[in-house]
Amino acid sequence: QQQVKQSPQSLIVQKGGISIINCAYENTAFDYFPWYQQFPGKGPALLIAIRPDVSEKKEGRFTISFNKSAKQFSLHIMDSQPGDSATYFCAASAPPDKLIFGTGTRLQVFP
Amino acid sequence: ETGVTQTPRHLVMGMTNKKSLKCEQHLGHNAMYWYKQSAKKPLELMFVYNFKEQTENNSVPSRFSPECPNSSHLFLHLHTLQPEDSALYLCASSQGLSGRAINEQFFGPGTRLTVL
Repeated sequence: QQQVKQSPQSLIVQKGGISIINCAYENTAFDYFPWYQQFPGKGPALLIAIRPDVSEKKEGRFTISFNKSAKQFSLHIMDSQPGDSATYFCAASAPPDKLIFGTGTRLQVFP
Repeated sequence: ETGVTQTPRHLVMGMTNKKSLKCEQHLGHNAMYWYKQSAKKPLELMFVYNFKEQTENNSVPSRFSPECPNSSHLFLHLHTLQPEDSALYLCASSQGLSGRAINEQFFGPGTRLTVL
């Protein structure tokens, strides 16, 4: 019930393409869904987050789509760039603020 | 120094050694966390401190011992570790545990630990 399932494990995209990473959860008490980005040698950093009262949130080239009934959410990276190559983690949280992370997706964007 | 810093960045130790990992946050936060990151596994929350009080111990073996002397510093004391404890240990901090699920966590760069 506390798991967050993330797919795919790895993703290769050509520059300019769309990268899509999917996550699914079971616990209906989750009410905060952040995505973290991690570069080699660095800790994860918050990229974008959503609450379940909206179905989509966009920040620049990054969009979260949220489907509450299906208990799924996804990250879309438009116009993917080589600088986006990193590992992406979805997460979910319920009060009192314990984050449950997915297993991560290693994204490689080739020029 | 800004953000969350961790020292050392790399550590190699034998199974009989005792060592400590240090984390310091310069963000004025009140909650601090230890995570373990192993290959192909989700980040595993180990310990949570809120206003210097431990609020979470996620069934972590006693060979890992946390210490939080103040809201800015967090230590992880290690003794008689096993090779399977080799991983990246990440420290994070956040504003504080308020019961509201909007609590951005800021991570340090981690300590890469190898147990021989």
